[in-house]
Amino acid sequence: NAGVTQTPKFQVLKTGQSMTLQCAQDMNHEYMSWYRQDPGMGLRLIHYSVGAGITDQGEVPNGYNVSRSTTEDFPLRLLSAAPSQTSVYFCASSYSQPQIYGYTFGSGTRLTVV
Amino acid sequence: SQQGEEDPQALSIQEGENATMNCSYKTSINNLQWYRQNSGRGLVHLILIRSNEREKHSGRLRVTLDTSKKSSSLLITASRAADTASYFCATDGNAGNNRKLIWGLGTSLAVNP
Repeated sequence: NAGVTQTPKFQVLKTGQSMTLQCAQDMNHEYMSWYRQDPGMGLRLIHYSVGAGITDQGEVPNGYNVSRSTTEDFPLRLLSAAPSQTSVYFCASSYSQPQIYGYTFGSGTRLTVV
Repeated sequence: SQQGEEDPQALSIQEGENATMNCSYKTSINNLQWYRQNSGRGLVHLILIRSNEREKHSGRLRVTLDTSKKSSSLLITASRAADTASYFCATDGNAGNNRKLIWGLGTSLAVNP
């Protein structure tokens, strides 16, 4: 049972490049989220999905797109990378409501934009 | 926005000692959760306590909740070097069906062998 798998683990982008961070879970979780973690800022919600075909914005959605075509996958797309997007990105999933069931987190993607 | 505030920001203890960290929050809640994050890894869910509970145990972990003071504490007994990590609290902010969690900034715990 792999849990939540994120790829890649590390990535360096040049300003203006685009890329997709992959997230897959094998627990049949309905709810999936993307967070970024920055020193002194804590975890900030980028986008989340309550089920296949349904996505919504979190606190800091600008510059990011998501889609949820299957229950298992929830990719995060950076449209035009900026240095301010240098961060550690975490994908997390929950059975239904994370405030009741808690989250399972992936191991993170460390992104540097130069 | 950050609702939970962990205290202290950093804590250093010797192996075998107990570690206590606190979380304060601003609005009423239904549930409060604690997570651990080892360096360079994702967060791991430790324990959830509901607003109608005052204390909960899981192995060497003891969590208390005081809704009148809007605070929670996490006690790790007989600490080990492997407990070295950052610890975060997360609340639901009594958001009903909002499903979003509100995170604190974490307490960094160092357990010295």
